[in-house]
Amino acid sequence: DAMVIQNPRYQVTQFGKPVTLSCSQTLNHNVMYWYQQKSSQAPKLLFHYYDKDFNNEADTPDNFQSRRPNTSFCFLDIRSPGLGDAAMYLCATSRLPRSAQHFGDGTRLSIL
Amino acid sequence: SQQGEEDPQALSIQEGENATMNCSYKTSINNLQWYRQNSGRGLVHLILIRSNEREKHSGRLRVTLDTSKKSSSLLITASRAADTASYFCATDATLQGAQKLVFGQGTRLTINP
Repeated sequence: DAMVIQNPRYQVTQFGKPVTLSCSQTLNHNVMYWYQQKSSQAPKLLFHYYDKDFNNEADTPDNFQSRRPNTSFCFLDIRSPGLGDAAMYLCATSRLPRSAQHFGDGTRLSIL
Repeated sequence: SQQGEEDPQALSIQEGENATMNCSYKTSINNLQWYRQNSGRGLVHLILIRSNEREKHSGRLRVTLDTSKKSSSLLITASRAADTASYFCATDATLQGAQKLVFGQGTRLTINP
């Protein structure tokens, strides 16, 4: 089945130690998104790619970066994780920016 | 803020009853979407309703849209324990020159057996 896959499901890292979260899709969608979601809150958009066009949200910390080497893969890099970065990170895809989004099951990031 | 607001924040009902959740937003939209999120999982798209549509059905789900009041409602009929989840509305917006969805804070629905 076509889907959005996030690895790993759970990630533990140390304060300040760089971490990379990955997302892959088999839907061949043009748009890929990274969201941060904290407990009982709405998903907060960090950035998205429309094909190769990168869009960074104004309030996304500089600590967060993303790469999309090809249509199928997208990565979220957190250069120096702080305790406040502990959250669920959700990857999503859509055919067009206003279309229905398809989400992966997320990576829950813990910071020690 | 462009963000939608949902009401109520939490809803607890008995299995078999109907559940209604409301969403209000602030600016004009092209479409409004509803998503479900089970605990610890990603969001699942339920329904997309366009601005020129007033009502849409999908199985036990009924969504209405009133663009004059900038509001939408999601009705789940004959609720089941498996419907227990958080439900989010999302409106499309053009912010900082880019089109994107903006999610509301969600309604946490609990279906009691």
